[in-house]
Amino acid sequence: GENVEQHPSTLSVQEGDSAVIKCTYSDSASNYFPWYKQELGKRPQLIIDIRSNVGEKKDQRIAVTLNKTAKHFSLHITETQPEDSAVYFCVSSSGGYQKVTFGIGTKLQVIP
Amino acid sequence: NAGVTQTPKFRVLKTGQSMTLLCAQDMNHEYMYWYRQDPGMGLRLIHYSVGEGTTAKGEVPDGYNVSRLKKQNFLLGLESAAPSQTSVYFCASSYWNERETQYFGPGTRLLVL
Repeated sequence: GENVEQHPSTLSVQEGDSAVIKCTYSDSASNYFPWYKQELGKRPQLIIDIRSNVGEKKDQRIAVTLNKTAKHFSLHITETQPEDSAVYFCVSSSGGYQKVTFGIGTKLQVIP
Repeated sequence: NAGVTQTPKFRVLKTGQSMTLLCAQDMNHEYMYWYRQDPGMGLRLIHYSVGEGTTAKGEVPDGYNVSRLKKQNFLLGLESAAPSQTSVYFCASSYWNERETQYFGPGTRLLVL
């Protein structure tokens, strides 16, 4: 089955700095890569996603990049703010509802 | 529009007891899912359903059963709870044509003693 590795498991940055979270996947059939943000005690919420026919996608301060050849994708958060503090999950999907694999999560702490 | 709701929010069970977790969505989503979240392991799919009356096994189905008698409800049952089932359970739902975009419920925290 699909294997998704996510790094780092924890990340601390100063407010205003950038944060980068990286994921690698194993299934070459994977074609959809969403990112979820989960605040403490809350539900996971989709923040951005990218499909395999796109190399980069931006939405204000967050961006996601995809390298299909290397089978890795990354989440970039610029000008971090304290409210960005949360656990972020990368997900790899091959388009089937049963083929959705979550990474283990990255706990991001933004220090004011 | 409440989105995805789950009941109960928290429950303590003794080993061997049974219980049912209820997930409800008011978005007319076809697909529904049950995940468990454990520290250091992300979210793992237990069971899912692609429509009323149909269910299928996910990655970690053992010890759980599900039913989807109504489109808006997806029930997760534990027939004989074990301490290994202590976890946070999340329900999610999605449209058939946007199946990868899942909307999550608030979670149910289950402690099995």
